[in-house]
Amino acid sequence: EPEVTQTPSHQVTQMGQEVILRCVPISNHLYFYWYRQILGQKVEFLVSFYNNEISEKSEIFDDQFSVERPDGSNFTLKIRSTKLEDSAMYFCASSLAGAYNEQFFGPGTRLTVL
Amino acid sequence: AQSVTQLDSQVPVFEEAPVELRCNYSSSVSVYLFWYVQYPNQGLQLLLKYLSGSTLVESINGFEAEFNKSQTSFHLRKPSVHISDTAEYFCAVSHNAGNMLTFGGGTRLMVKP
Repeated sequence: EPEVTQTPSHQVTQMGQEVILRCVPISNHLYFYWYRQILGQKVEFLVSFYNNEISEKSEIFDDQFSVERPDGSNFTLKIRSTKLEDSAMYFCASSLAGAYNEQFFGPGTRLTVL
Repeated sequence: AQSVTQLDSQVPVFEEAPVELRCNYSSSVSVYLFWYVQYPNQGLQLLLKYLSGSTLVESINGFEAEFNKSQTSFHLRKPSVHISDTAEYFCAVSHNAGNMLTFGGGTRLMVKP
């Protein structure tokens, strides 16, 4: 069964460093998403991506964040200068189409900023 | 703006007992409703969804949820739980103008033998 994969499973970084979280969505899916979950809090939407551009983003997704689909298979989230409060579990998801279609989630990357 | 409230952060229950996980939402537009389940060390998996039509929707493993528009609720129920149902359950909404999911805080279902 096809699945969304994410690497690494755990990333530890120093405050101020850049990190890139990687995702491989399901191959025939067209919409891609990033969500995050700070420990003990809700899963929060960050950004959605379709047709090589951002289709929707939340207030959390400020200039420190960027997304890219560098090739036909990977979907990345970059945080330019990490802050302590960026520590969270980051989930990638993909769906075949938009609004009411099932989003398939990866297992997540736990980011720890020291 | 839309929001989702899951009133219970943890629900302990004995095996074979019935369970209800509560979800209420608020939105100024029509919404689609979802329940996702997260087993330990795994990603979120769709359990069931309401898009339109019959207000009662069912999953393949015995869960069901009922959309109640007047009470803005989408509670999840199972008449008899198993140990393997132990997981975190998330209620979520999206609206037809966008595809972002708004999640509730999650409910940890703990099934005891």
